[in-house]
Amino acid sequence: EAGVAQSPRYKIIEKRQSVAFWCNPISGHATLYWYQQILGQGPKLLIQFQNNGVVDDSQLPKDRFSAERLKGVDSTLKIQPAKLEDSAVYLCASTEGSSYNEQFFGPGTRLTVL
Amino acid sequence: AQSVAQPEDQVNVAEGNPLTVKCTYSVSGNPYLFWYVQYPNRGLQFLLKYITGDNLVKGSYGFEAEFNKSQTSFHLKKPSALVSDSALYFCAVRDGTGGSYIPTFGRGTSLIVHP
Repeated sequence: EAGVAQSPRYKIIEKRQSVAFWCNPISGHATLYWYQQILGQGPKLLIQFQNNGVVDDSQLPKDRFSAERLKGVDSTLKIQPAKLEDSAVYLCASTEGSSYNEQFFGPGTRLTVL
Repeated sequence: AQSVAQPEDQVNVAEGNPLTVKCTYSVSGNPYLFWYVQYPNRGLQFLLKYITGDNLVKGSYGFEAEFNKSQTSFHLKKPSALVSDSALYFCAVRDGTGGSYIPTFGRGTSLIVHP
């Protein structure tokens, strides 16, 4: 079974530039999550999708972050414009849908904002 | 609001000795509890979970955890540590009783197993 795929693995940009991350979850997984993991901290949920609908985006900084999952499969997370404090690893995860199921994580995208 | 506390930033243990990584939680409803492990430059990997039933749950790589409702704890344990167990460990909680389904993670505990 293929795992959660993310790209790119690394990205370096300057502040005020824009950046996009892509995630392809495990086939058949209805629920997709985007997390932000700042160095030395645990993952913080940014947004949760169920199929192509948003379940929760209460912790997403909507003035600069956006995410979509148009066909209920892969997803894109965008930051525009980036700030220095956005430097972090962005993790994508998926589950089969039930809240008691474990999440499967991708390798993450390490973003550095200069 | 739900929360998770991992009181130790780092745990050091000698190979062959038992290890414990501590986790306490706060949630308004019934807790769904998870442990994940993160190796360098890798995503998180699932170790084990408690949803309901037996308070002692067994997971991958010989790890186990005990759910203690009165102490609101879910400590991760292993009888005999291996050097290869050295990694970052995260505890996570979700409210399983119709509350927010947002998973909340602790800040992580670095486990270092010395040869």
